[in-house]
Amino acid sequence: GAGVSQSPRYKVAKRGQDVALRCDPISGHVSLFWYQQALGQGPEFLTYFQNEAQLDKSGLPSDRFFAERPEGSVSTLKIQRTQQEDSAVYLCASTQVGGPNTEAFFGQGTRLTVV
Amino acid sequence: KQEVTQIPAALSVPEGENLVLNCSFTDSAIYNLQWFRQDPGKGLTSLLLIQSSQREQTSGRLNASLDKSSGRSTLYIAASQPGDSATYLCAVRRDYGQNFVFGPGTRLSVLP
Repeated sequence: GAGVSQSPRYKVAKRGQDVALRCDPISGHVSLFWYQQALGQGPEFLTYFQNEAQLDKSGLPSDRFFAERPEGSVSTLKIQRTQQEDSAVYLCASTQVGGPNTEAFFGQGTRLTVV
Repeated sequence: KQEVTQIPAALSVPEGENLVLNCSFTDSAIYNLQWFRQDPGKGLTSLLLIQSSQREQTSGRLNASLDKSSGRSTLYIAASQPGDSATYLCAVRRDYGQNFVFGPGTRLSVLP
């Protein structure tokens, strides 16, 4: 596709519900990142994939958060038993393989509201 | 651990002014630095990327500089327009395969 696509754009979940957020990176982009952005703050790193391998998950806030990218393209971020503090915008980014001139491209984000 | 700060947190200027946004980072061992724009309720749009070996990049009315040794980057916006109103974020990357570390952003309002 032309850009990074995320779905759904908006999600309202009741506390305790499980949610799944989807990211379609730019075709051919090897690297994929998930970020969490709270209102009025900069994005915070969650996890990073290179192809299907999850190379860094140090930013996942708890074991309720799980991400996968089984075929090295589409990625899903799953949050189990959602809590109010999970309310945020979840951003996905992808980059090509390349040197330091490699730009990151972000999707529009999924705004999760836990009620 | 890399920490990124941005000053000012918010800025309001009349249309036509030139302005400078500042980004500071604590670890000078970076791979590149990228400036983004974020409109309310939207994702991030890439503005400029500066490689660690570069000192500046220009795109239209935007100019970004990088001083690695002092851990600073600036984004210069010439002849500001109301359409420039947005939040501007800088992000640094330590190495290929490493994540981006973001600053908190500068919220810019350009008044007509």
